[in-house]
Amino acid sequence: HSVLTQPPSASGTPGQRVTISCSGSSSDVGSNSVNWYQHLPRMAPKLLIDSNNQRPSGVPDRFSGSKSGTSASLTISGLQSEDEADYYCAAWDASLGGFWVFGGGTKLTVL
Amino acid sequence: QVQLAESGGGSVQPGGSLRLSCAASGFTFSGYYFSWIRQAPGKGLEWISFISSSGHYANYADSVKGRFTVSRDNAKNSLYLQMNSLRAEDSAVYYCARESGGFDTWGQGTLVTVSS
Repeated sequence: HSVLTQPPSASGTPGQRVTISCSGSSSDVGSNSVNWYQHLPRMAPKLLIDSNNQRPSGVPDRFSGSKSGTSASLTISGLQSEDEADYYCAAWDASLGGFWVFGGGTKLTVL
Repeated sequence: QVQLAESGGGSVQPGGSLRLSCAASGFTFSGYYFSWIRQAPGKGLEWISFISSSGHYANYADSVKGRFTVSRDNAKNSLYLQMNSLRAEDSAVYYCARESGGFDTWGQGTLVTVSS
């Protein structure tokens, strides 16, 4: 089972806009929705973006998602210090009985 | 409120077994698929298994197939992960997560350490 490709790190200063990419294949990102998760240290991961671009209740509108073909991206506008975390994309792959595949994660540093 | 709580983690020797549990509350447990997801030290999230709402269907990551078994008891609102033939590389924090589109609810995780 393959892993979605994310940059290992990203950074920005408060107020900036940062985009994290996620690249997959035709069987996962290309065929199904992408979800994004925020993982703060010593906390449970949190669903940030559902179905490519939907924000669950309580997620600030600074966070947005998009998808095109076999790639997706997470954009954080108006970066804040509390956004410093690890971010993961994930997608369903219906082949081989069905399984979820995660990206390797991107560590976001707020400078 | 909607909650998941894992238990059963601990230290075990290579080749040993552990059974993780995940207790659910605050929602209709039987209506959802669930997954187990783990994070090894210094590594990213890794999906390892899902189970259907009825429990009749499950699948596994190649890394655990044949060694781990997921199950559920809808009457007890509980999810389980039986882990056999454990290896050092299975050391991780194990999370149970509810699937509703994405994984919208996660437990706090339980730590499994496999070491001699």
